[in-house]
Amino acid sequence: GAVVSQHPSWVICKSGTSVKIECRSLDFQATTMFWYRQFPKQSLMLMATSNEGSKATYEQGVEKDKFLINHASLTLSTLTVTSAHPEDSSFYICSAQAFLPGDTQYFGPGTRLTVL
Amino acid sequence: AQTVTQSQPEMSVQEAETVTLSCTYDTSESDYYLFWYKQPPSRQMILVIRQEAYKQQNATENRFSVNFQKAAKSFSLKISDSQLGDAAMYFCAYRSREYGNKLVFGAGTILRVKS
Repeated sequence: GAVVSQHPSWVICKSGTSVKIECRSLDFQATTMFWYRQFPKQSLMLMATSNEGSKATYEQGVEKDKFLINHASLTLSTLTVTSAHPEDSSFYICSAQAFLPGDTQYFGPGTRLTVL
Repeated sequence: AQTVTQSQPEMSVQEAETVTLSCTYDTSESDYYLFWYKQPPSRQMILVIRQEAYKQQNATENRFSVNFQKAAKSFSLKISDSQLGDAAMYFCAYRSREYGNKLVFGAGTILRVKS
């Protein structure tokens, strides 16, 4: 149980294009999903928190117009990197948490984004 | 602000031996959760163990156990009978309801297992 999937696992795009990454909780309903960014050999940096049916809350320094997050259902959240540039190249990870405040966050396998 | 510190960037252990990874945190809250996550080369984050702050008993999961010292704000992870598959980056993380249930991660410790 408690499986979170991400799609795609790896995407390469040209500078200026937009890329959408999907995060799904496969066997539980996630009221809250989190999006992280990770650079090689570094820790996870929280980008934003999304709750089903409401606007995402972005961490300080994260451009909300650049990283669009939608949490349309209890099992799906999407991150769209708009007008991507090479500096947006990174590893993006989502996590999902079920209803109870004490519930554990479960992580997706991550998406590697390379912007040429 | 809550901070999590992992002071060991890298650790090595011989196969079948025991290793302890250190973690300290700073908080003024009394109700919170602590976690150890493992990130192998695949980069999939895997929950190793969790500890609720209100529980005095240290959490244990098979070969993994923690030493939770609430007053000292210390949360170390002990791995017994180390296996090659334990080689990974290990992250200590803190979470509290007052902080919106967001995970605060330490910088991570790379664990190498020698055969």
